[in-house]
Amino acid sequence: AQSVTQLGSHVSVSEGALVLLRCNYSSSVPPYLFWYVQYPNQGLQLLLKYTSAATLVKGINGFEAEFKKSETSFHLTKPSAHMSDAAEYFCAVRPFSGGYQKVTFGTGTKLQVIP
Amino acid sequence: EAGVTQSPTHLIKTRGQQATLRCSPISGHTSVYWYQQALGLGLQFLLWYDEGEERNRGNFPPRFSGRQFPNYSSELNVNALELEDSALYLCASSLNPERGSNTGELFFGEGSRLTVL
Repeated sequence: AQSVTQLGSHVSVSEGALVLLRCNYSSSVPPYLFWYVQYPNQGLQLLLKYTSAATLVKGINGFEAEFKKSETSFHLTKPSAHMSDAAEYFCAVRPFSGGYQKVTFGTGTKLQVIP
Repeated sequence: EAGVTQSPTHLIKTRGQQATLRCSPISGHTSVYWYQQALGLGLQFLLWYDEGEERNRGNFPPRFSGRQFPNYSSELNVNALELEDSALYLCASSLNPERGSNTGELFFGEGSRLTVL
């Protein structure tokens, strides 16, 4: 069974500061990993995904994430926060292996950007 | 290309009534997923349909049910509504994750907000 842990339900950063949102996963087989963003009263939008092609994954809006197998982590970063980055971010995992393995989401991290 | 569409956007019901929510997936997607997002509870997986069959079900009572139609659209039914069913219900679609090298990434609709009074 797979699971995802997002450390910190709320993160506050100043505009222009580094954004770091933490995600650790547990999976018995190699996983696909995803980061989604949700703006208020909207659905989730895919930011980026890890599919084993490269450990450093670049996504939309200047975000990137690095897959570290030894740490079972997939942290999301952005060098400089913008006010428009304020949203809720979800990490998700799905095993590579066959069978109808559903995507499992973390509990989410709300990012507040302080002007 | 149209994204995932959900209807209605908002729905207000009273306790004991039934609610029906609808979802149309992205063209070519055969999998449809339903999630409940209640305040403070994150995303709770409800149901997964692919090719008309239920593939996986979350830990919800039987009064939460659904189906997928031949055109891959889907319906979520919630019977005997309770106050705690008030939530944003999100539908997502994907390519069949069992075929080829599909990652199974989900594409979400904007959600249907159900309020139970």
